[in-house]
Amino acid sequence: EPEVTQTPSHQVTQMGQEVILRCVPISNHLYFYWYRQILGQKVEFLVSFYNNEISEKSEIFDDQFSVERPDGSNFTLKIRSTKLEDSAMYFCASSDRTPIGSPLHFGNGTRLTVT
Amino acid sequence: AQSVTQLGSHVSVSEGALVLLRCNYSSSVPPYLFWYVQYPNQGLQLLLKYTSAATLVKGINGFEAEFKKSETSFHLTKPSAHMSDAAEYFCAVSEDGNKLVFGAGTILRVKS
Repeated sequence: EPEVTQTPSHQVTQMGQEVILRCVPISNHLYFYWYRQILGQKVEFLVSFYNNEISEKSEIFDDQFSVERPDGSNFTLKIRSTKLEDSAMYFCASSDRTPIGSPLHFGNGTRLTVT
Repeated sequence: AQSVTQLGSHVSVSEGALVLLRCNYSSSVPPYLFWYVQYPNQGLQLLLKYTSAATLVKGINGFEAEFKKSETSFHLTKPSAHMSDAAEYFCAVSEDGNKLVFGAGTILRVKS
């Protein structure tokens, strides 16, 4: 069964550094998402992406965050200048949304630690 | 606004016993509802989904959930727990089939 893959599985970075989290969504999916889970807290929506543009974003997704689909397969989340509070597990997801209500398929996540 | 409440952050059952994980939701429109499971060091795997067809939804690994509009509930059940069911379970709601709002999760422990 096709799956969403994320790299790296763990990323440690220093505060103020830029990080790029990478995801390869399922190949025929058109809708892409990033969620995050801070340790001990709920899984939170960050951003959704369709047709090469952001379709919705949460309050968390401020100017420090950006997403990109640089080619036909990758979907990336960039954090421009990391803060301690960005430490979390970041999940990428994709969906074909056909029919509406089709589930999101999640990757195994990237654990980001900001020191 | 949508929200999900999962009663019980930890649930412990004996192997072979009934599993009941509770989920109540709030939504201003007929919702899409999902249960996801997360095994250690893995991503979120879909267990089952409700999308306004049958109110009793069967999922993978013997799990099922019943949508009860009057109670705004979508509880997850399994008649007989197996050791391999030990994991964290997340209930999620969506109003547009796009953005998911998750509950806080319930960690299921299965005792031998």
